[in-house]
Amino acid sequence: DADVTQTPRNRITKTGKRIMLECSQTKGHDRMYWYRQDPGLGLRLIYYSFDVKDINKGEISDGYSVSRQAQAKFSLSLESAIPNQTALYFCATSVSGGTDTQYFGPGTRLTVL
Amino acid sequence: GNSVTQMEGPVTLSEEAFLTINCTYTATGYPSLFWYVQYPGEGLQLLLKATKADDKGSNKGFEATYRKETTSFHLEKGSVQVSDSAVYFCALSVLTGNQFYFGTGTSLTVIP
Repeated sequence: DADVTQTPRNRITKTGKRIMLECSQTKGHDRMYWYRQDPGLGLRLIYYSFDVKDINKGEISDGYSVSRQAQAKFSLSLESAIPNQTALYFCATSVSGGTDTQYFGPGTRLTVL
Repeated sequence: GNSVTQMEGPVTLSEEAFLTINCTYTATGYPSLFWYVQYPGEGLQLLLKATKADDKGSNKGFEATYRKETTSFHLEKGSVQVSDSAVYFCALSVLTGNQFYFGTGTSLTVIP
């Protein structure tokens, strides 16, 4: 079984709809992250969480919100989706402290029409 | 600030050719440096890392040396295979906040 899972893997939705992307991990890591990947722009950080009560905005948080329901679960919401939020979204985890490796989920491909 | 600049692609090589993908960085403090690989349809996987100057990370025939004097972490492989076709990302992490900063990615295609 994968250590970091994301659901759904693919989603097509319409402008204005509310969308939730979910991430679960069995690695026991404290820290979780949401990134989006766009062609030619690499990965950009949306939100990150160091534990259940600690959530921080990343580089591109506008239009997104998150919820850390438990140590193992971190959800990303688009309250009112717009076409320029069409992208590949990745969840990642890492251990607390230091500059250790981040472990990525398989990604969710979101298309907003 | 913190940033990573990597060689633009796409890169196309014949099997058994030598590979170099350039990566330079700007960082406050003392970063750790990483190369991640993304195979088609998959998430990013750690390929190798180096945590201090002059360290060499290596894995699966790939190598990269942390060069503080030139702020570089170039990825090399002596003989690429078709199975190495993927997108490669250079990244750095600084102690403050454990945030990662990624380059834009370099697409590699290896042809038989």
